[in-house]
Amino acid sequence: DGGITQSPKYLFRKEGQNVTLSCEQNLNHDAMYWYRQDPGQGLRLIYYSQIVNDFQKGDIAEGYSVSREKKESFPLTVTSAQKNPTAFYLCASRGLGSGAKNIQYFGAGTRLSVL
Amino acid sequence: EDQVTQSPEALRLQEGESSSLNCSYTVSGLRGLFWYRQDPGKGPEFLFTLYSAGEEKEKERLKATLTKKESFLHITAPKPEDSATYLCAVPQGGSEKLVFGKGTKLTVNP
Repeated sequence: DGGITQSPKYLFRKEGQNVTLSCEQNLNHDAMYWYRQDPGQGLRLIYYSQIVNDFQKGDIAEGYSVSREKKESFPLTVTSAQKNPTAFYLCASRGLGSGAKNIQYFGAGTRLSVL
Repeated sequence: EDQVTQSPEALRLQEGESSSLNCSYTVSGLRGLFWYRQDPGKGPEFLFTLYSAGEEKEKERLKATLTKKESFLHITAPKPEDSATYLCAVPQGGSEKLVFGKGTKLTVNP
């Protein structure tokens, strides 16, 4: 089945620890995105990438890092510099080109909590 | 600044009681408006995209409409399985970013 796979579903971070959230897609999409979702707030963009080996900061990039070494994969690292990491993290992807219609498709999410 | 405002924040309906959710937006050069459904603890599921004023899309009990300033998601004779949070989003003018509203949490009671 084609889709976006996020893992793990639940993740716990200790003080001062970096943790990495995985996002893999087999939709052959060029663009990938990371969002953060907090209760009562809209989704906020952390980072996005339109092509391999290139990515841009979103609105709340501080305390996060990403890489895009393969088209299928866009992992997100939550660093110790992110002081309030507890949230629901969503990965999305989008095909580029006139047929893609700008639609972003989402994975099932990773819930990160601080121990 | 591009903004998306959804109302109401929460809506409770009885099964079969039709209603509408609103999404108002301010963005320069609309390049589509997107509706998603999100169940608790899951990622948003794409429902519709609308590109021009007057456009309508339907899927089962849902119908989305678009004007120059807002979109409505009409729910006809809802069922309990329609309970979810409905999100609206628009691309930010001239960028890759989607601006999301905070969502409307719909509860349909049997």
